[in-house]
Amino acid sequence: NAGVTQTPKFQVLKTGQSMTLQCAQDMNHEYMSWYRQDPGMGLRLIHYSVGAGITDQGEVPNGYNVSRSTTEDFPLRLLSAAPSQTSVYFCASSYYPGTSGLYNEQFFGPGTRLTVL
Amino acid sequence: AQKVTQAQTEISVVEKEDVTLDCVYETRDTTYYLFWYKQPPSGELVFLIRRNSFDEQNEISGRYSWNFQKSTSSFNFTITASQVVDSAVYFCALSTSGTTDSWGKLQFGAGTQVVVTP
Repeated sequence: NAGVTQTPKFQVLKTGQSMTLQCAQDMNHEYMSWYRQDPGMGLRLIHYSVGAGITDQGEVPNGYNVSRSTTEDFPLRLLSAAPSQTSVYFCASSYYPGTSGLYNEQFFGPGTRLTVL
Repeated sequence: AQKVTQAQTEISVVEKEDVTLDCVYETRDTTYYLFWYKQPPSGELVFLIRRNSFDEQNEISGRYSWNFQKSTSSFNFTITASQVVDSAVYFCALSTSGTTDSWGKLQFGAGTQVVVTP
């Protein structure tokens, strides 16, 4: 298994440009999510998905869009990049806990470092 | 609302010293999960441990140990006999299970930078 993959690893954008950060997982996980990591602030949830066709907002959703057409893929779209979106972006996935109620480990991708000039 | 506080921004130790990282959490849910992740200089996030709110047993794994105390809402992490390879940022995180929508949402602390020098 490749686990959680993210592309690109690095990206530089100009203010106002749009782009899509790709995230894919091959573990058949229902849950997928996007976080951003800024210095001194830990990771903050942007958007998440509990399954194909279902997405919802996290803590910092403004300026980002997501969709989930397949179980495997969960792309993050920046509509009009701003310098405040300079950050490291992590995608994560995990199994649904099901009736057992047991939480399962979240698997993180390697991250995408985005710079907006 | 959930909150995770890691008050220590950076801890510097000399190799073989023990180091304890503090984590204090806030939640109104009775069922929740606590995690520690390690982020080495290479940048990836490495899962270390998960602890359920209904299991207060402390845990030891090699040189790592965790002390979970619900009475003080703390989930502290100790590295015994630190090594240079332990140099990393360590994150404490919280997830609750009050509703199905809660699953998958992690609330992270700000992280503690551990620097181990030879």
